[in-house]
Amino acid sequence: KQEVTQIPAALSVPEGENLVLNCSFTDSAIYNLQWFRQDPGKGLTSLLLIQSSQREQTSGRLNASLDKSSGRSTLYIAASQPGDSATYLCAVRDNYGQNFVFGPGTRLSVLP
Amino acid sequence: NAGVTQTPKFQVLKTGQSMTLQCAQDMNHEYMSWYRQDPGMGLRLIHYSVGAGITDQGEVPNGYNVSRSTTEDFPLRLLSAAPSQTSVYFCASSDRGLGNQPQHFGDGTRLSIL
Repeated sequence: KQEVTQIPAALSVPEGENLVLNCSFTDSAIYNLQWFRQDPGKGLTSLLLIQSSQREQTSGRLNASLDKSSGRSTLYIAASQPGDSATYLCAVRDNYGQNFVFGPGTRLSVLP
Repeated sequence: NAGVTQTPKFQVLKTGQSMTLQCAQDMNHEYMSWYRQDPGMGLRLIHYSVGAGITDQGEVPNGYNVSRSTTEDFPLRLLSAAPSQTSVYFCASSDRGLGNQPQHFGDGTRLSIL
């Protein structure tokens, strides 16, 4: 059974810092991995999707990497801003079906 | 473009009551799913559907029913509400046919069972 973990559970950084969020998964037979952002009381917003054949994806100040063999993905946020404060979740889609398994999330606070 | 729409946004039920959470998408997505989100546990899959007329169980299906009579709608039914079903429920959809397509989420339904 696929299990997804995220470290750290919470992170607080001053504005302007670069930071890395981590996601680990136990079964490397994944179809893709998706990073989401969730604001308090809101749904999930897709940030980046990395296909199993890709090593990284970039969107603006965000860069996500994928190392399938080690079961790891990282989300790099450059020059963090207070508006980046949210919970960040990763989810993996396995090769056997259509379903995603989610990690518990990292709660990020960027202090002005 | 509305995306994924969930209703109601909030609901309070008494133990034993039944209700239906509505989910509709206007993107012609084949794949739809329901998750529940509980503190510290991430999102867990309840039921999913790969197309109209086809549904299957996820990780935590007990106490819930679904049906998929149209591509657009995927309602979730609580048969006899229990306090353990207090949670935030999210509906999601994606374009299954194109493979590597992201999931789109609704804003959630916050459900409290007293």
